[in-house]
Amino acid sequence: SQQGEEDPQALSIQEGENATMNCSYKTSINNLQWYRQNSGRGLVHLILIRSNEREKHSGRLRVTLDTSKKSSSLLITASRAADTASYFCATDARSSGDKLTFGTGTRLAVRP
Amino acid sequence: DGGITQSPKYLFRKEGQNVTLSCEQNLNHDAMYWYRQDPGQGLRLIYYSQIVNDFQKGDIAEGYSVSREKKESFPLTVTSAQKNPTAFYLCASSISGSGNQPQHFGDGTRLSIL
Repeated sequence: SQQGEEDPQALSIQEGENATMNCSYKTSINNLQWYRQNSGRGLVHLILIRSNEREKHSGRLRVTLDTSKKSSSLLITASRAADTASYFCATDARSSGDKLTFGTGTRLAVRP
Repeated sequence: DGGITQSPKYLFRKEGQNVTLSCEQNLNHDAMYWYRQDPGQGLRLIYYSQIVNDFQKGDIAEGYSVSREKKESFPLTVTSAQKNPTAFYLCASSISGSGNQPQHFGDGTRLSIL
């Protein structure tokens, strides 16, 4: 079963704009991770945020976590055409024994 | 360069045939995973292994089998019992089986039915 649901399913923006993707989950988690997948390739880990953290930054990426709303957001600032990819959240919940459960992903298209 | 290598990139299966997907890592990671990805979907866990000679079923293990005889290798066999095997298969590894570790992925094998 899917623990995380990303929103929106697809997003199209102009180069230079910011992109925001959201992830909602159902049960209490230990950690939440964000991954990127280019078409036909494997996933690449972007950032991990623990349940006791509220915000994390990595370069142009900013991740927030609201455990009271069971949701996380990924913000990509000053987007580039190379950011075009699918983005997935993955959670490890206390109920699933450390295994990661992936959401359905957001497809981001950045127009040059 | 450390990483995960999956082969082949494309694989075709005939009716009633078993096929084996290869996954090798040189990252010295203890844990390895197999996921299935269907078009427009997230990843679903097939099998995982946290240590050599041990592995556990994931959410969709029926019709699949694995072995973990060496730390660096975790092959997946798609058996004839898997009636809908067409999908993109991804192998991953992590330092340990803990959920607070990032997973490193190979570039996948795309399996189709002839």
